[in-house]
Amino acid sequence: EVQLVESGGGLVKPGGSLRLSCIASGFTFSNYSMNWVRQAPGKGLEWVSSISSGSRFIYNADSAKGRFSISRDNAKKSLYLQMNSLRAEDTAVYYCARGIVVAGLFDYWGQGTVVTVSP
Amino acid sequence: EIVLTQSPDFQSVAPKEKVTITCRASQSIGSSLHWYQQKPDQSPKLLIKYASQSIPGVPSRFSGSGSGTDFTLTISSLEAEDAAAYYCHQSRSLPGTFGQGTKLEIK
Repeated sequence: EVQLVESGGGLVKPGGSLRLSCIASGFTFSNYSMNWVRQAPGKGLEWVSSISSGSRFIYNADSAKGRFSISRDNAKKSLYLQMNSLRAEDTAVYYCARGIVVAGLFDYWGQGTVVTVSP
Repeated sequence: EIVLTQSPDFQSVAPKEKVTITCRASQSIGSSLHWYQQKPDQSPKLLIKYASQSIPGVPSRFSGSGSGTDFTLTISSLEAEDAAAYYCHQSRSLPGTFGQGTKLEIK
């Protein structure tokens, strides 16, 4: 069974940093691209960042460029999102999602981790 | 950026009725359109890929159609468990974008 478990969310002040993690199981992690997608409270889904299976290709939404950095460790079956210079508008549930194509179709999603940016 | 516009934003439908949700793209995306279901307090779940391809384990009452700029998600006979938000998503070009969502309520 495919499982994706996110962690690392929390309450942070504007300008602060957080590192989200996602641990995968139930599939060959190194064969798949991985993604972060977020959902602000009461709002829709927004793609944030994607990384190819071997980390060669990385894509970021404009809202993430220069502030967020996606990475992965295939040996640890783990995906990461380093978030710096956080803003109130980054407040959201952050989902880790497996990709069929890089930055494309997401076939499995984790349960999400909540990030709140507030003074 | 490709904009996806769903209609309606909200729909209240009785069980066993047919439901149709549409998604219109601001430019042609071929068949690179996918549908997700998100039940309250749950993460999204893939329902349909590439406009019309079914997903193993998804009930057969869910189907998709369309190509180019106009797409449709159809639920042939609504069940109570289908109460959820539904989102379309395009993977034709970066950034991948989602529709604003359609909230489906069961009467």
